[in-house]
Amino acid sequence: SQQGEEDPQALSIQEGENATMNCSYKTSINNLQWYRQNSGRGLVHLILIRSNEREKHSGRLRVTLDTSKKSSSLLITASRAADTASYFCATDADDMRFGAGTRLTVKP
Amino acid sequence: DTEVTQTPKHLVMGMTNKKSLKCEQHMGHRAMYWYKQKAKKPPELMFVYSYEKLSINESVPSRFSPECPNSSLLNLHLHALQPEDSALYLCASSPKWGAGQETQYFGPGTRLLVL
Repeated sequence: SQQGEEDPQALSIQEGENATMNCSYKTSINNLQWYRQNSGRGLVHLILIRSNEREKHSGRLRVTLDTSKKSSSLLITASRAADTASYFCATDADDMRFGAGTRLTVKP
Repeated sequence: DTEVTQTPKHLVMGMTNKKSLKCEQHMGHRAMYWYKQKAKKPPELMFVYSYEKLSINESVPSRFSPECPNSSLLNLHLHALQPEDSALYLCASSPKWGAGQETQYFGPGTRLLVL
């Protein structure tokens, strides 16, 4: 079964807008990670947040983690066309399986 | 060197062929992974090697045979595949395997088409 489940499944926004993606999981974790995948390419690690952290920033990325709700969100601010990709969350529980992902389209 | 390389980039094979996918990393990572990804789906874990020993086999059919000759190399031997095995095959590595494991570094993948 999937550990991380993202929503929405697809998101389309205009360049400059913010994009928010959510991830829910089922069991206790030590860390949660977000990855990006451009079409037909390998996954690129974006950010790792540990279970004792609530928020983490990296450039235009902001990740939050709520362990009481077993959920995380990824916020991309001031989006660019180059951010168009699929975004996946994965936790270290359940052997690092990936959720279904959110397909983000940023229109120029 | 923070790169995972995979060869070939593309592979077309018939159902009676035998071929191999190769993966290499020189980051000193002790865990390596094979994933299978169909279009518009997330990567599905197939195998995990930890310290060159097979740690996880996700009930993958025997027509897929992994091999870890050393800590830097991971192979996936393919034999008698079916058309539904056509997919992107991704290799990844991480410093270690187990609870609290860290970032996985992915290769660009091999696009496999089985005719």
